[in-house]
Amino acid sequence: DTEVTQTPKHLVMGMTNKKSLKCEQHMGHRAMYWYKQKAKKPPELMFVYSYEKLSINESVPSRFSPECPNSSLLNLHLHALQPEDSALYLCASSQTPGTAGGELFFGEGSRLTVL
Amino acid sequence: AQSVTQPDIHITVSEGASLELRCNYSYGATPYLFWYVQSPGQGLQLLLKYFSGDTLVQGIKGFEAEFKRSQSSFNLRKPSVHWSDAAEYFCAVGGFGNEKLTFGTGTRLTIIP
Repeated sequence: DTEVTQTPKHLVMGMTNKKSLKCEQHMGHRAMYWYKQKAKKPPELMFVYSYEKLSINESVPSRFSPECPNSSLLNLHLHALQPEDSALYLCASSQTPGTAGGELFFGEGSRLTVL
Repeated sequence: AQSVTQPDIHITVSEGASLELRCNYSYGATPYLFWYVQSPGQGLQLLLKYFSGDTLVQGIKGFEAEFKRSQSSFNLRKPSVHWSDAAEYFCAVGGFGNEKLTFGTGTRLTIIP
């Protein structure tokens, strides 16, 4: 199994809603990542979890709250978002933390629209 | 600081023609370099990577890339493109002990019959 599975694929939410994005991998990878990608732009790193601990937060606003319940799961909790937060949110994993770990395996993303 | 420049925003190539996508990087130590491809509405897939050794690396789908340290470049090539190669291509740079992968702005490839 070489997949990273993201749910939901599409999400529409109001600015007062609370929702969560979920990511799952069963490759035994020990690093997991959240990236944000706006239309026609490259992915931008948001968070990195290494061995289930948050190792990088790229100064992301607190309305985005990551969680790593175990080595296979990664959540992104969303609250009080703004319309400019509308984007494709990509989850990725790698065998070991750091780019020396080699390939990042990406999910297909969750497309978020904030009204 | 690490950065990647992909000077070509959009390239159009005829099916069967050769392809070269340009990538220049800036990195303060030995770089690890990657090329990813993204089809519309999809995640990213790794085409190839360079860590060390032979500067010409082979990837999936018939792609190859050459690392040139003197030019800070890692250009992607394919001798004959197929219609299915139409996608967005991202070059990325990282390094040893560095958890952050920095992507270039991408090159959109269009294939014409």
